[in-house]
Amino acid sequence: SQTIHQWPATLVQPVGSPLSLECTVEGTSNPNLYWYRQAAGRGLQLLFYSVGIGQISSEVPQNLSASRPQDRQFILSSKKLLLSDSGFYLCAWTTLGGGETQYFGPGTRLLVL
Amino acid sequence: AQSVTQPDIHITVSEGASLELRCNYSYGATPYLFWYVQSPGQGLQLLLKYFSGDTLVQGIKGFEAEFKRSQSSFNLRKPSVHWSDAAEYFCAVGASNDYKLSFGAGTTVTVRA
Repeated sequence: SQTIHQWPATLVQPVGSPLSLECTVEGTSNPNLYWYRQAAGRGLQLLFYSVGIGQISSEVPQNLSASRPQDRQFILSSKKLLLSDSGFYLCAWTTLGGGETQYFGPGTRLLVL
Repeated sequence: AQSVTQPDIHITVSEGASLELRCNYSYGATPYLFWYVQSPGQGLQLLLKYFSGDTLVQGIKGFEAEFKRSQSSFNLRKPSVHWSDAAEYFCAVGASNDYKLSFGAGTTVTVRA
């Protein structure tokens, strides 16, 4: 069966520091991968998605970037965190193809101070 | 592009009472429709989905949803709620030619004893 992992689970970082969040999927090949953010009390905002290694689509211009160095690995990064980057970050995967079910990881809670 | 509206931000229901969460979508063709549930601090879990066929869909945890094309709706129902159903619920819509899902803003359900 397929599983999706995210780490770390919780992170507290100072403003201006770098960020690296990792997401890995097991049990499937060639998944589409997604990064979402939930700010406190708000819905899901799609940040990036990837349909293959090295292929990244950005949905919202911002302080963050994403990379996909391996088929089942998706990384969210920032060179300098802002206070507004605080939130709950969710990674999701789906099988290749449009409109398919997305399966979510457990999330990373990021607090920028 | 598709979009989703969840008209109710917050619903309070008594334990044992019935629950209905509303979801309206906007999409020109036959949509792919999903309901997810999120417990505090957790990722999203798929409750049920509709791609085609029978318009009444059964899901996990005793939930069901009905697709009504004429009303562009996909409302979620449960006949008798349990305290463990307290969570946030998200409706989402996808399309066969789109890698992305569009999520509603979510409905928070509180269950009172």
